[in-house]
Amino acid sequence: EPEVTQTPSHQVTQMGQEVILRCVPISNHLYFYWYRQILGQKVEFLVSFYNNEISEKSEIFDDQFSVERPDGSNFTLKIRSTKLEDSAMYFCASSLRRDTEAFFGQGTRLTVV
Amino acid sequence: ELKVEQNPLFLSMQEGKNYTIYCNYSTTSDRLYWYRQDPGKSLESLFVLLSNGAVKQEGRLMASLDTKARLSTLHITAAVHDLSATYFCAVGTEGNQFYFGTGTSLTVIP
Repeated sequence: EPEVTQTPSHQVTQMGQEVILRCVPISNHLYFYWYRQILGQKVEFLVSFYNNEISEKSEIFDDQFSVERPDGSNFTLKIRSTKLEDSAMYFCASSLRRDTEAFFGQGTRLTVV
Repeated sequence: ELKVEQNPLFLSMQEGKNYTIYCNYSTTSDRLYWYRQDPGKSLESLFVLLSNGAVKQEGRLMASLDTKARLSTLHITAAVHDLSATYFCAVGTEGNQFYFGTGTSLTVIP
């Protein structure tokens, strides 16, 4: 069964460092998303991406964040200068259409120290 | 910002009983989703509801949507232990943003 894969599963980084979280969405999907979940809290939308551009982003997704689809299969989230409060589980998701279910990856646990 | 409220936040129910989780949202939306999350795991899609009056059922779970009341419900019938998890509703906007509810942590006890 097709699935969304994310790497790495866990990343530890020092405050101020740049991190890149990687995702491979399901191959025929057209819509891509990043979410984050701080431990024990609700899931927060970061950004949606369609047709090689950002379609929507939340207030969390400030200038420190960027997304890219560099090669037609990977979908990356970059955090330029990490802060302690960026520590969270980051989920990538993809969907075939705007109104179909989104499939989530297993997540990358980011720990900023 | 669109607000999504779920209640209850915590639910402990006995096996075999029925219960309903409620999801209220603050502005109009054309899509509502229900997800399940097991501890330490990712989110699993349960239902996508796209129109007023939509009802979907899968096993012991049934979801419905009332867009006029801005309310969705997730009804659990004859709960079993395997249903213990956290359940989230999420509302999609026209612009393709998504707002999640706070989640309902369900524990089914024998």
